[in-house]
Amino acid sequence: QVQLVQSGAEVKKPGSSVKVSCTTSPVTFTSHAILWVRQAPGRGLEWMGGTIPMFHTTTYAQNFQDRVTITADESTTTVYMELTNLRSDDSGTYFCSSHVYGSRKSEDWGQGTRITVAS
Amino acid sequence: ETVLTQSPATLSLSPGERATLSCRASESLRDSLVWYQQKPGQAPRLLIYDASNRATGIPARFSGSGSGTDFTLTISSLEPEDFAVYYCQQRPNWPPGTFGQGTKVEIK
Repeated sequence: QVQLVQSGAEVKKPGSSVKVSCTTSPVTFTSHAILWVRQAPGRGLEWMGGTIPMFHTTTYAQNFQDRVTITADESTTTVYMELTNLRSDDSGTYFCSSHVYGSRKSEDWGQGTRITVAS
Repeated sequence: ETVLTQSPATLSLSPGERATLSCRASESLRDSLVWYQQKPGQAPRLLIYDASNRATGIPARFSGSGSGTDFTLTISSLEPEDFAVYYCQQRPNWPPGTFGQGTKVEIK
């Protein structure tokens, strides 16, 4: 089991950017994939993108690929998700999750980070 | 992009009853589908992977079936803690894909 600790809630202005962190353990960077999922208030889950640090591979969902960047910092075992040009409908809770690459039998989730976009 | 359609949107059942949830894909996923349970204020919890395998620690009352475009999550006898929202997601090895819109299982 891998512990994932996300950064705290933020309030942002429309048009600005937000960078959410997901701090994990070193084993994640040698064997895991890390995914990002968004949930607007009262709505369903949206897959945003993910990264496999050991392969230096990052993939983005079609709906987010123009505005999202996912990076991994091995020195701090932290994965970041940055979303730019924020709109009010970007408000919601952002989750990171981790699973062993190639295996889907278990996975771990962060506690979620609430982002509010308001003027 | 593959679209996942879940039905029904809401399922009203009593504890002890059987729940049957459907997830239909717009194109074949083979067996690359997972099911999640989510309760209010919590992160999703993985229930089923590869369409029919229970994830680590998941009770036997949860089962998944199907392949191709039609998938089913069955809860054989609902416990009070099973009332929640359930999502399917396409999950080939890489990259993951879209979620269905969810099915809420509520107490009748």
